[in-house]
Amino acid sequence: AQSVTQPDIHITVSEGASLELRCNYSYGATPYLFWYVQSPGQGLQLLLKYFSGDTLVQGIKGFEAEFKRSQSSFNLRKPSVHWSDAAEYFCAVAGDFGNEKLTFGTGTRLTIIP
Amino acid sequence: DAGITQSPRHKVTETGTPVTLRCHQTENHRYMYWYRQDPGHGLRLIHYSYGVKDTDKGEVSDGYSVSRSKTEDFLLTLESATSSQTSVYFCAIRSRTSGPGPETQYFGPGTRLLVL
Repeated sequence: AQSVTQPDIHITVSEGASLELRCNYSYGATPYLFWYVQSPGQGLQLLLKYFSGDTLVQGIKGFEAEFKRSQSSFNLRKPSVHWSDAAEYFCAVAGDFGNEKLTFGTGTRLTIIP
Repeated sequence: DAGITQSPRHKVTETGTPVTLRCHQTENHRYMYWYRQDPGHGLRLIHYSYGVKDTDKGEVSDGYSVSRSKTEDFLLTLESATSSQTSVYFCAIRSRTSGPGPETQYFGPGTRLLVL
């Protein structure tokens, strides 16, 4: 069965600092991987996804993520965070055949300090 | 915005009462999903549908039923609500609207349900 681990429950960074959110997955073959962001009281918004090819994926809002098969990881990065990036971030994995079942990590809450 | 609405957006009910949540989409997507979100658990799949009258269970389906009598509506019913079903419920659709690669799930705004 597929699974996702987000080891950091809460991260605090200063505005303008770089950010890396960790995600480790478990799946037997090449997975489809996703990062979503959820602002307070809102639904989930897709930031980026990986399915094949280039292991460095660019997303919206200046985010990127790198797929590392050897480490079973798909970490999310941003070079310089803005106060508006404060939110909860979810990593998710789907198996083959079109993403019938998406498995989410437990999320990482990001706080930005001035 | 994937054209998904959920109703009601907020609901308070009492233990033992039936509750139905509605998910409505306007873009004729084949796949629809119901998730619940709880602190420390992320989102967990309750049920999903792959067409009219075609549904299947997710990982936390006990105590829930679903129906899809037309493409645009996917209903989630709690036959007899319990306090453990207090949660935020999200509907999602699957669409290929965001560039190459597999279809991606897009989420509605959510329904906050409190069972007293």
